[in-house]
Amino acid sequence: QPVLTQPPSTSASLGASVTLTCTLSSGFDFYKVDWYQQRPGKGPRFVMRVGTGGIVGAKGDGIPDRFSVSGSGLNRLLTINNIQEEDESDYYCGADHGTGSNFVWVFGGGTRLTVL
Amino acid sequence: EGQVAESGGGLVQPGGALRLSCAASEFSFTTYEMAWVRQAPGKGLEWVATINRDGSEKHYVDSVKGRFFISRDNAKTSLYVQMNSLRVEDTATYYCTRVNFGGAFDIWGQGTMVTVSS
Repeated sequence: QPVLTQPPSTSASLGASVTLTCTLSSGFDFYKVDWYQQRPGKGPRFVMRVGTGGIVGAKGDGIPDRFSVSGSGLNRLLTINNIQEEDESDYYCGADHGTGSNFVWVFGGGTRLTVL
Repeated sequence: EGQVAESGGGLVQPGGALRLSCAASEFSFTTYEMAWVRQAPGKGLEWVATINRDGSEKHYVDSVKGRFFISRDNAKTSLYVQMNSLRVEDTATYYCTRVNFGGAFDIWGQGTMVTVSS
């Protein structure tokens, strides 16, 4: 099954842009990943799915246009433009992996975004 | 869009049991697979279990196999997880989530806290 690696933390200034990275383990180049946002004290929220060709399907409800994704090789990126205070959250990537009758879902360790 | 709401969390001793419930509303419950995801205090997300639309197929993370049992009642639009032989390491907030047609978890509840401690 894939392993998803995320840096533990990053920061960005109000109004700036930031790119969060989720790296798939070797051999899983064609996997799509899902991005989730978790604000402090809240449940997670689906952001969008990304493959090597970019967004797959629709964004989650209420996700602003400032959020976009891209993918290349083993990296699946979430970019936030014009960062707002409400973007300060933990961001997780996740993926499902199935072989035959055995399915698992895995998450990266999450990246905490601090807005300065 | 749809909503889910968890209940049933609490404090339980190691080796004890607990049943969590999730009430779904404002979407066609029988159309979707459902899942439980947990988050230990200060830690990341961990998938626990998934059930298909009619309840005939279930998948579990290795650490809960044989101890946790996911089920659903489509007539009541509800999802459940029976948790037996609970361990200290099962302490977490448990989230009910809908699995969309692509396999992503697209609707989440606020979670219910389970604490396993003596």
